[in-house]
Amino acid sequence: QVQLVQSGAEVKKPGSSVKVSCTASGGTFSRYSFSWVRQAPGQGLEWVGRIIPVLNITNYAQKFQGRVTITADKSTSTAFMELSSLRSEDTAVYYCAREMFVDHGTYYTFYYGLDVWGQGTTVTVSS
Amino acid sequence: DIQMTQSPSSLSASVGDRVTITCRASQTISNYLNWYQQKPGKAPNLLMYGASSLQSGVPSRFSGSGSGTDFTLTISSLQPEDFATYFCQQSYTTPHTFGQGTKLEIK
Repeated sequence: QVQLVQSGAEVKKPGSSVKVSCTASGGTFSRYSFSWVRQAPGQGLEWVGRIIPVLNITNYAQKFQGRVTITADKSTSTAFMELSSLRSEDTAVYYCAREMFVDHGTYYTFYYGLDVWGQGTTVTVSS
Repeated sequence: DIQMTQSPSSLSASVGDRVTITCRASQTISNYLNWYQQKPGKAPNLLMYGASSLQSGVPSRFSGSGSGTDFTLTISSLQPEDFATYFCQQSYTTPHTFGQGTKLEIK
């Protein structure tokens, strides 16, 4: 049974950075992308970005460009999301989630949805 | 970015009711549309992908339809465990935007 296990809760000062990890166990890392989705208190879901580890491709939402870096370590089946220049509005639960992709040679499609999610990591930004 | 608009934002219904939630994309997304259920304090759970394909393990009372810009999620006969918040998401192009959510409450 595939599981995504995320690192623990973080409390950060405004202006600092946070790095959250997401380790996949029980399944192959290579056929999937790993997305990061956040949810502010009482709010909806917001897509932050994703990485396709086997291709080393990343995509970020424009809103987070320049502040977010998503990486992966294939040897440990772990994805990371680092968010810098933190502000109070970044207080949220951050989830990682897996999505299978189809390689068409020159492009990739993401048809199967985010089928496995981590448990979430609460990031609190407060002075 | 593609905007996803769900309606209604909230809905009250009773056990056994048939319920439909709609999701509209600001531009065509073919059938790259996913639906998730989220309960308080939990991660979202994938219900449907490809607009109409039921994720493994999800009860058959859930169904989805649509293509292009307009999509629906239907629950044929509400069960007590279905009271939750539902989100649509497009995976046609990045960013893979979500709808704002529909909170389904017990009447």
